[in-house]
Amino acid sequence: NAGVTQTPKFRVLKTGQSMTLLCAQDMNHEYMYWYRQDPGMGLRLIHYSVGEGTTAKGEVPDGYNVSRLKKQNFLLGLESAAPSQTSVYFCASRPTGIYGYTFGSGTRLTVV
Amino acid sequence: DAKTTQPTSMDCAEGRAANLPCNHSTISGNEYVYWYRQIHSQGPQYIIHGLKNNETNEMASLIITEDRKSSTLILPHATLRDTAVYYCIVREHLISNDYKLSFGAGTTVTVRA
Repeated sequence: NAGVTQTPKFRVLKTGQSMTLLCAQDMNHEYMYWYRQDPGMGLRLIHYSVGEGTTAKGEVPDGYNVSRLKKQNFLLGLESAAPSQTSVYFCASRPTGIYGYTFGSGTRLTVV
Repeated sequence: DAKTTQPTSMDCAEGRAANLPCNHSTISGNEYVYWYRQIHSQGPQYIIHGLKNNETNEMASLIITEDRKSSTLILPHATLRDTAVYYCIVREHLISNDYKLSFGAGTTVTVRA
């Protein structure tokens, strides 16, 4: 049971480039989330999904898009990367009911 | 969501119990208390949650006061691997059965040998 797997773990982008971060969970969880964490700060919610085929905006959605075509995968896209998007990105999932989140190990993204 | 207040940092001796306080004086009747921790450079890890009663699992115990305005997370025998930032979060479970956690600054716990 791998839990929540994020790929890639590290990436350096040039300003204006695009990329997709993949989050995969093998726990059959309904809910999935993308957070970003900047140095010395807490986590901020970017987008989330309450089930396959659904997505919703979080606190800081600008500059990002998401898709949940399959229940086990939640993709985060950056269409035109900006230095302000340099951050550590965490994916999380949870089942229905009153349970805690399971987080991935993070993707460290640097935009130069 | 109710606001939580935690000390910025605390030290603990290895092998001793670590007691982490959290104040949530504006908590409402249907809000749960959750604890997570984040070890340096890793993703946050769920520890425990509770509503009214004290809870215990393999990682920790959660003590919630009778008026629910504060709680304490207890790590019974702290080890060096418990050094982390600990987050106390209060959250309501919405009718839609979805919730979004807001992580604040947390308490930086340093376990010393």
